[in-house]
Amino acid sequence: SQTIHQWPATLVQPVGSPLSLECTVEGTSNPNLYWYRQAAGRGLQLLFYSVGIGQISSEVPQNLSASRPQDRQFILSSKKLLLSDSGFYLCAWSGKTLAGAYNEQFFGPGTRLTVL
Amino acid sequence: DAKTTQPPSMDCAEGRAANLPCNHSTISGNEYVYWYRQIHSQGPQYIIHGLKNNETNEMASLIITEDRKSSTLILPHATLRDTAVYYCIVRGIQGAQKLVFGQGTRLTINP
Repeated sequence: SQTIHQWPATLVQPVGSPLSLECTVEGTSNPNLYWYRQAAGRGLQLLFYSVGIGQISSEVPQNLSASRPQDRQFILSSKKLLLSDSGFYLCAWSGKTLAGAYNEQFFGPGTRLTVL
Repeated sequence: DAKTTQPPSMDCAEGRAANLPCNHSTISGNEYVYWYRQIHSQGPQYIIHGLKNNETNEMASLIITEDRKSSTLILPHATLRDTAVYYCIVRGIQGAQKLVFGQGTRLTINP
């Protein structure tokens, strides 16, 4: 069966510090991968998605970046965190679309980031 | 992707059917209706999706109006564990399947 892992589960970082959040998927190959952020009391916002190794699409301009160095690994990074980067970061994966089919997204447990 | 409108909150008694409405008046012919829910402090969970026919699975039923401008998610026998934020999302099936989450409906199941 497929599983998705995220770490760390919680993180407290000072403003201006770097960030690296990791997401890995097991039990599937060539997935689509997604990074979402949920600010306190807000809905989920798609940040990045990837359809393959080295292929990253950004949805929202910001000081965050994403990378996909391996097929089942997705990394969210920042060189300098802002207070507004605080939130709940969720990684998700889905299978590739088959003609006429929908592949649901499966979400990881999330990382709760607090920037002070 | 078409925009959706949902009530911000709803209450339902445990054991009763919870009916969550969603308006999507600008939906186009090739767009599906998807429902996810998010229990507090967890990632969203897929519930069900449909195009124009009513759908049912082990979690819920989805009723889509004939003109497809609105739909209703039905949880037939709500339990306390169904308390969550429910998101109605409309989009096509092509591309990377990006999901755009709105504010959703906060459903509270009361004992």
